[in-house]
Amino acid sequence: KAGVTQTPRYLIKTRGQQVTLSCSPISGHRSVSWYQQTPGQGLQFLFEYFSETQRNKGNFPGRFSGRQFSNSRSEMNVSTLELGDSALYLCASSLAAGNTYEQYFGPGTRLTVT
Amino acid sequence: DQQVKQNSPSLSVQEGRISILNCDYTNSMFDYFLWYKKYPAEGPTFLISISSIKDKNEDGRFTVFLNKSAKHLSLHIVPSQPGDSAVYFCAANGGGDDKIIFGKGTRLHILP
Repeated sequence: KAGVTQTPRYLIKTRGQQVTLSCSPISGHRSVSWYQQTPGQGLQFLFEYFSETQRNKGNFPGRFSGRQFSNSRSEMNVSTLELGDSALYLCASSLAAGNTYEQYFGPGTRLTVT
Repeated sequence: DQQVKQNSPSLSVQEGRISILNCDYTNSMFDYFLWYKKYPAEGPTFLISISSIKDKNEDGRFTVFLNKSAKHLSLHIVPSQPGDSAVYFCAANGGGDDKIIFGKGTRLHILP
């Protein structure tokens, strides 16, 4: 069974631009969560989607948004990029919503904002 | 306010010895705790977990201990092996919602 895939793996953007990251969950998994990892803050929860609906949201500004499609693939978007948005963005999928101990993570997208 | 704290950013342990990684939490509503391991260029992978109704869970070389009164948990790896060199994240769940709260991680170096 293929794992969680994320595209692109690396991205360089300029401050003020916007970016869209993609996550394809494990086949059959309906929940997708997004996390931001930075050296200073560790892993921080962004949001969780289940059946195309956002179930949960972390403490991030409205510039961070996401969506989930009917095939469970998910995208996250960051608008008006700031230097502090440089981070590794991880997505994780699980069979059911809130299934915390059965989450499988993708390799991440490394975003650099210059 | 950090609800899950891993106060040691890094730890070096001799191969074959015991590695002990520590984690403290502040939210007494947490009822499930997890440890993840992360290699460079890979996403975190689930390692071991413990429910708040237990004080110990063991899986092979990995044992997690939970001290609820101290709001403290630890991960013991024995014996430590070179492949254990990675970043370890402590995480907690059940603090009033379904979110998992992660610590900042501890980088473990296993020395030959």
